[in-house]
Amino acid sequence: QKEVEQNSGPLSVPEGAIASLNCTYSDRGSQSFFWYRQYSGKSPELIMSIYSNGDKEDGRFTAQLNKASQYVSLLIRDSQPSDSATYLCAGTNTDKLIFGTGTRLQVFP
Amino acid sequence: NAGVMQNPRHLVRRRGQEARLRCSPMKGHSHVYWYRQLPEEGLKFMVYLQKENIIDESGMPKERFSAEFPKEGPSILRIQQVVRGDSAAYFCASSQTVVYMNTEAFFGQGTRLTVV
Repeated sequence: QKEVEQNSGPLSVPEGAIASLNCTYSDRGSQSFFWYRQYSGKSPELIMSIYSNGDKEDGRFTAQLNKASQYVSLLIRDSQPSDSATYLCAGTNTDKLIFGTGTRLQVFP
Repeated sequence: NAGVMQNPRHLVRRRGQEARLRCSPMKGHSHVYWYRQLPEEGLKFMVYLQKENIIDESGMPKERFSAEFPKEGPSILRIQQVVRGDSAAYFCASSQTVVYMNTEAFFGQGTRLTVV
């Protein structure tokens, strides 16, 4: 059983729309969660971290965490073509980050 | 304030040679993590090190792979007798404290290893 699961996509949204990316995890002991963005051929770039239940907003990005449902999400408002990338969800497993396989987002003009 | 530095960015090795990948963490960070990414796949954890100590190597293949993080200098991931299946992007990340203590980890630009 995968520890962090994401829909591989691609998720296609029009420019200006809200993109919703989802992630579930199996380890109830996971405390911290992160969203990374990875452009093709590049390294992962940290977008958001979230540690407690509820919402956390940063600019156009909102991360949501529900530990009871073991569910993490990332909303991207006013999506731009430059947001087209793979979004990686990660959760802590004792002393390391475990990543999902990523969701590919395509924002079309 | 330099980020996580990895070198080389690209490395080509013939089968049977050794590959040595280097990672210098961000200033003030003493925790280093190595990940491997195959094309179109996610990041797979390999090893977690602190200065002079291997903390968790549960993701490291039992043979040919080793890692170190000496008191002075960068962390090194060493792959001996490389095979074509070792071709991948190897990423290093660093953090100020261990990641479960609500701390963020930042990635270097990676080393793309190609075995020919």
